[in-house]
Amino acid sequence: NAGVTQTPKFQVLKTGQSMTLQCAQDMNHNSMYWYRQDPGMGLRLIYYSASEGTTDKGEVPNGYNVSRLNKREFSLRLESAAPSQTSVYFCASWDTGGVDEQFFGPGTRLTVL
Amino acid sequence: ELKVEQNPLFLSMQEGKNYTIYCNYSTTSDRLYWYRQDPGKSLESLFVLLSNGAVKQEGRLMASLDTKARLSTLHITAAVHDLSATYFCAVDMSSSGTYKYIFGTGTRLKVLA
Repeated sequence: NAGVTQTPKFQVLKTGQSMTLQCAQDMNHNSMYWYRQDPGMGLRLIYYSASEGTTDKGEVPNGYNVSRLNKREFSLRLESAAPSQTSVYFCASWDTGGVDEQFFGPGTRLTVL
Repeated sequence: ELKVEQNPLFLSMQEGKNYTIYCNYSTTSDRLYWYRQDPGKSLESLFVLLSNGAVKQEGRLMASLDTKARLSTLHITAAVHDLSATYFCAVDMSSSGTYKYIFGTGTRLKVLA
């Protein structure tokens, strides 16, 4: 039982390059989330998927797209990376019908030069 | 505007002392979560508070929830160095129909030997 996994762990991009961050969970959770955390700051929600087949914008969606590929996987795409997107990205999953909390992946540390 | 405010933002305390971190929120919710984050790491769940008056304790930490006052507290008893970390509260927005959290600003705790 791996919980929430994210790939890659680290990535360096040049301005204008694109990339996809991958997230998978094996807890059969219905909801999945992408957050970003800037140095010394809290977490800000980028996009979330309350159930398979649905996605919604969070606080800071500009410059990102998401795909809920199936119940297990939720990817985050940066089409044209900008230095302002340098951050640590966390994926989380949640059984919204239950009594547990959101579970977080280990994070992806992204630097855009 | 939905707000979740923690105070203090920074806390430096001596080992053996007691202190309380406050989490105030501006919307109706009856569920709140506390997380711990060590530098360079992901978020680790500490407490799940699911109703008004809920109190949970684990070691030197105790969390409580007052939904009428829209306030949660995280009390530290006889602090030890190992408690040095950043602590986040997160408000569950499910009761308003959106399945997501709003995170607090975080409290960076440093316990001095």
